[in-house]
Formats: sequence, C-alpha cells, structure tokens
Amino acid sequence: QSALTQPPSASGSPGQSVTISCTGTSTDVGGYNYVSWYQQFPGEAPKLLIYEVTKRPSGVPDRFSGSKSGNTASLTVSGLQAEDEAEYYCSSYVGRYSVIFGRGTKLTVL
Amino acid sequence: QVQLVESGGGVVQPGRSLRLSCAASGFTFGKNAMHWVRQAPGKGLEWVAVVSFDRSITSYADSVKGRFIISRDNSKNTLYLQMNSLRPEDTAVYYCTRGGYDSSELPKYWGQGALVTVSS
Repeated sequence: QSALTQPPSASGSPGQSVTISCTGTSTDVGGYNYVSWYQQFPGEAPKLLIYEVTKRPSGVPDRFSGSKSGNTASLTVSGLQAEDEAEYYCSSYVGRYSVIFGRGTKLTVL
Repeated sequence: QVQLVESGGGVVQPGRSLRLSCAASGFTFGKNAMHWVRQAPGKGLEWVAVVSFDRSITSYADSVKGRFIISRDNSKNTLYLQMNSLRPEDTAVYYCTRGGYDSSELPKYWGQGALVTVSS
C-alpha cells in the first residue's frame, strides 16, 4: 500500500490559517473514520494532534482542527504561531489491522 | 501519565537479529493495543506492526512480514519487537506506541524511540 499523499510543504504568516491535505483512497481515508494527525519537531517523537478525524486530545489547542471529505482528510491550523513550525503527518487505518502514514508536510511560519 | 520507554537499540550487522523492548507505565497496559512505528534517518513515519491487548491479533507491514515478530507480556507491562534477518534498510528510530482497546485505533501515545543501525 502506498503512502497517503500530503503536500511536501506549507506555509503561512502568524495569525493566518493553513490547511494541510491528506489524500488516500476509498480503502483507507475514505473507508474509515480512523484518521489521525501528528506533529513532530526535529529530534523529537511525534505527538498526537487529532484522532478519529476530528477529535482533539486534551491539551491540544483548539487552533488545531481536523475534517474529512471523501478520500481526503485535512488538518487546519488557525491563528498560526511561530511554535507551530514543524513536520505534520497524517495516518489512516487501512483494514486488516494495518496502518498507513502520509509522507509528511513541513509547515513553515513566515 | 503515560510513559513508554524503549530499549535494546544499537548497531547490528546485516542478517543478524535484535530485540527491542518497551516498558509501559501510567495506564492499564493489558487493555490497549500496541504498535511499533519506525522512522528512517531524514524520512517519514512507517508503521511496522500491531498486537492486540490480549495478543489474539498481530499484523505486520509487508516490509517486515516474516522477519519481525511483535509480542507482549501483560504481566510485565512490556512490549517487544524481535527483528530477524536485518537489512540496511531497517535502519531507523523505532517508536513504541499505544493504541486503543480496539486494534483498529491508531497510535496515540509515543515513546522517545530507539535507534537501530544495520551496518557491516
């Protein structure tokens, strides 16, 4: 199974909103509501931002939100802050207890 | 709070074996599926394997199927990854991650990772 498709990079100025897409197929993103988003800083472990498409773990700012339409999931970062500059990965359940990740998107705060 | 601490990483020659361990604390280990996820240097995340809370279900990425074995000891709150016939392309940081009660749920909590380098 190929990786989910994410744009390699995204950018925005402080205070703006940025949306990162994650495109799969009907057998992964489009077929299940198990889609998660992770934030990773250099040299650190990933951290869960969004799970089950739209749910936010406690402690994650509400500036981060998730959605899904068809085979594409999206992560929106509102009110962009300098500290949001990181790598972002999406992941999806693909059936038979298997998981797939996107290739990652480097978010730059201008 | 949830803590996942990996150990057992290191440098190993191609074709040899290595076993990673992950000590879990801060939650009811025996009620959660557990995954291994890896990240090659400078690359993205790659899911490796999952084991259900009761060990009845295991699943593997095609890239490691037949070579790696995921297991768990609920009495010791410990997750394992036995890696056999290692290849240079297995070089990566290996993360222990906690899923949910349902084995379909994606990783939620992550350890800090253990570096495995396969090189002669």
